[in-house]
Amino acid sequence: DAKTTQPPSMDCAEGRAANLPCNHSTISGNEYVYWYRQIHSQGPQYIIHGLKNNETNEMASLIITEDRKSSTLILPHATLRDTAVYYCIVRSQINRDDKIIFGKGTRLHILP
Amino acid sequence: DAGVTQSPTHLIKTRGQQVTLRCSPKSGHDTVSWYQQALGQGPQFIFQYYEEEERQRGNFPDRFSGHQFPNYSSELNVNALLLGDSALYLCASSARLWGSGNTIYFGEGSWLTVV
Repeated sequence: DAKTTQPPSMDCAEGRAANLPCNHSTISGNEYVYWYRQIHSQGPQYIIHGLKNNETNEMASLIITEDRKSSTLILPHATLRDTAVYYCIVRSQINRDDKIIFGKGTRLHILP
Repeated sequence: DAGVTQSPTHLIKTRGQQVTLRCSPKSGHDTVSWYQQALGQGPQFIFQYYEEEERQRGNFPDRFSGHQFPNYSSELNVNALLLGDSALYLCASSARLWGSGNTIYFGEGSWLTVV
């Protein structure tokens, strides 16, 4: 079973910041938080990942709470092309466990 | 640098037939995983290959089998196709580095329709 909980859907106005929450209250110390998104009929696209510190790249920012039980993905200036299903995933690096267990994700609608 | 490539992109098969899907991992990656994604659902893990052996397997019947070649490319085989096997089949690759937060990358998938 997926170790994360996300809202099923969210709306965001074009040009505004989209903040997607994720709860992972059972996360352990060696587990990373990963975010992927899937635009309709395409393969999942990697966005960002982090362990305990906040991370930023050209696509998004990831804010992880100090207790690591939740995180927020921030798309700073959402565009219509950001409409997709966003998956928050907890992934262990112990025992070389590389598989991803997907939950239901959040369907993000960017409104013009 | 080519990412994860999959072939074919679309195919139609008849119930009872067999299908083979192919995947080339991203350059520098040695681990390949396969996922099945039914319409409206999240991807489901089928199995993972490393060093030409199946290392992990999800809850899929033995009709689903795979292979990894010395160049790290992989095939997914499905025998005795059922209508319920219609789905997007995704290949993902990664490099097996300890504790590095190494990223898994996905291909665009192969759409299989069973009629």
